[in-house]
Amino acid sequence: EDKVVQSPLSLVVHEGDTVTLNCSYEVTNFRSLLWYKQEKKAPTFLFMLTSSGIEKKSGRLSSILDKKELSSILNITATQTGDSAIYLCAVEGGGSYIPTFGRGTSLIVHP
Amino acid sequence: DGGITQSPKYLFRKEGQNVTLSCEQNLNHDAMYWYRQDPGQGLRLIYYSQIVNDFQKGDIAEGYSVSREKKESFPLTVTSAQKNPTAFYLCASSMDRGGGYTFGSGTRLTVV
Repeated sequence: EDKVVQSPLSLVVHEGDTVTLNCSYEVTNFRSLLWYKQEKKAPTFLFMLTSSGIEKKSGRLSSILDKKELSSILNITATQTGDSAIYLCAVEGGGSYIPTFGRGTSLIVHP
Repeated sequence: DGGITQSPKYLFRKEGQNVTLSCEQNLNHDAMYWYRQDPGQGLRLIYYSQIVNDFQKGDIAEGYSVSREKKESFPLTVTSAQKNPTAFYLCASSMDRGGGYTFGSGTRLTVV
């Protein structure tokens, strides 16, 4: 059974702090790892990491895929209150390539 | 603008009732998915469809049913057999098996 584990489950920081969110997976036929940000309702896409693209960066957010360790991290530097959200990790693989989601990390950034 | 529309945003169901959640996309995506989200549980797959007139059960399909008669539409029925239906339901679509997923804004279903 495919498994995606995110840690920590929740995190409270102050503005300006740097945070690192973790995602580890056990998936057969790995295809890609996806990060999403969910503020209120619809998750919005952040990054897709594959064997050919193991590092992505967008502004203060960056993500790295470690295929050897079967894990990924999402870094957010100089956090802002607008970064408060649930961050979801999903991995595509298995026979159908349907994504398996982790439980998410709830990030709260205090001013 | 292209996207996914879910309706209604809020839905209340009485015990023993069947209710249907709507999901429509105009992205010309082949695949569509239904997820259930409970607090602290992440997203769990209910059903998915990769082509019109075909769909597959996900991890928690019991008590739910779907249809895919048109490429644009993938409605989810929560039947009375679903004993704990109170949750947030998200619909998503993608161009093919895998790739970028676009989510709708969700329907929050509450049993009263």
